[in-house]
Amino acid sequence: KAGVTQTPRYLIKTRGQQVTLSCSPISGHRSVSWYQQTPGQGLQFLFEYFSETQRNKGNFPGRFSGRQFSNSRSEMNVSTLELGDSALYLCASSVGDRSSPLHFGNGTRLTVT
Amino acid sequence: GESVGLHLPTLSVQEGDNSIINCAYSNSASDYFIWYKQESGKGPQFIIDIRSNMDKRQGQRVTVLLNKTVKHLSLQIAATQPGDSAVYFCAESPNQGAQKLVFGQGTRLTINP
Repeated sequence: KAGVTQTPRYLIKTRGQQVTLSCSPISGHRSVSWYQQTPGQGLQFLFEYFSETQRNKGNFPGRFSGRQFSNSRSEMNVSTLELGDSALYLCASSVGDRSSPLHFGNGTRLTVT
Repeated sequence: GESVGLHLPTLSVQEGDNSIINCAYSNSASDYFIWYKQESGKGPQFIIDIRSNMDKRQGQRVTVLLNKTVKHLSLQIAATQPGDSAVYFCAESPNQGAQKLVFGQGTRLTINP
């Protein structure tokens, strides 16, 4: 079974631009979550989508948004990029019940210059 | 606020020895806990999970212990191998809805030959 796939693997953007990251979950998984990983803050929860609806949201500004499609694939968008948005963005999928483990992709490394 | 912390940021062990990685959590309402392993350039990889109605769970070469009285979680790795070198994260699921994990800062495990 294929794992979680994230594209692109690396991305370089300029301050003020916007970016869209893509995630394909494991087949059969209906929940997709997004996390930001930085050396200073560690892994922080952004949001979770289940059946095309945002089910949970972390403490990030509104510049961070996402969506999920009917095939469970998800995209995450960051608008008006800031230098501090440089991070590894991780997508994770699961079957969706509360105690099912998340399975992570290898992330998209975003660098904002 | 919620936080999951680790006692040691780094741990070095001899190949073949057992490793114990510790984690303290602060939210007594958390009822699901997970350990992840992250190798360089990759996303977190699920190792083992445990629910709060258990105090021990074993996997292949790994054991997770949960002490709810002192809010402590540990991961034991038996007969550590070079491939076990990685950063290990514990994570808790506060009772706030599905799939939102709060991660600790991680422990870097180094295996000495």
